[in-house]
Amino acid sequence: AQSVSQHNHHVILSEAASLELGCNYSYGGTVNLFWYVQYPGQHLQLLLKYFSGDPLVKGIKGFEAEFIKSKFSFNLRKPSVQWSDTAEYFCAVNAGAGSYQLTFGKGTKLSVIP
Amino acid sequence: EAQVTQNPRYLITVTGKKLTVTCSQNMNHEYMSWYRQDPGLGLRQIYYSMNVEVTDKGDVPEGYKVSRKEKRNFPLILESPSPNQTSLYFCASSLSTLAGVLNEQFFGPGTRLTVL
Repeated sequence: AQSVSQHNHHVILSEAASLELGCNYSYGGTVNLFWYVQYPGQHLQLLLKYFSGDPLVKGIKGFEAEFIKSKFSFNLRKPSVQWSDTAEYFCAVNAGAGSYQLTFGKGTKLSVIP
Repeated sequence: EAQVTQNPRYLITVTGKKLTVTCSQNMNHEYMSWYRQDPGLGLRQIYYSMNVEVTDKGDVPEGYKVSRKEKRNFPLILESPSPNQTSLYFCASSLSTLAGVLNEQFFGPGTRLTVL
């Protein structure tokens, strides 16, 4: 079974700082990878996803993520955060074709200080 | 408006009293799923359904039941709730999987359940 590790439980940044949230998964085969965001009091929404092709994927609101197969990683990045990025971020993995399960990491709470 | 709806949004109940949380989507999605979210544990998948009458267990299915008699509805049933099922529950739906590829999921607003 696949598992997902998110290294940081809580990250605090000042506005305009750069962001990188770590995500590692454990599964040896083909994977589909997702980052979801949950703003305070709201439900989850998709930030970006990787299925195949260019390992650098761009999502909404200036976020991007890089899939590094050799490191089993899918880190999320943003060059300059805003106060409105304050939210909880979840990495999720699906073990490729034929698998209908989605496994989430425990989440990273991001607090951006104005 | 395309959406996933859940009812009720908030529920306080007592141990052993059967309850059902409804989930409905209006996007004609084949795939639907239930998750629970607990502090420090993230989201964990309870059950999922690939299509009508096709369901399977996720990571934490114990104490829950589901059914998928219609494409748009996917109710979550707790036959005998216990305090350890106190949690925030999310329903989600997704477009049909192409060659078994799980697509982006659209989440409902959540149901906060407290079992006393």
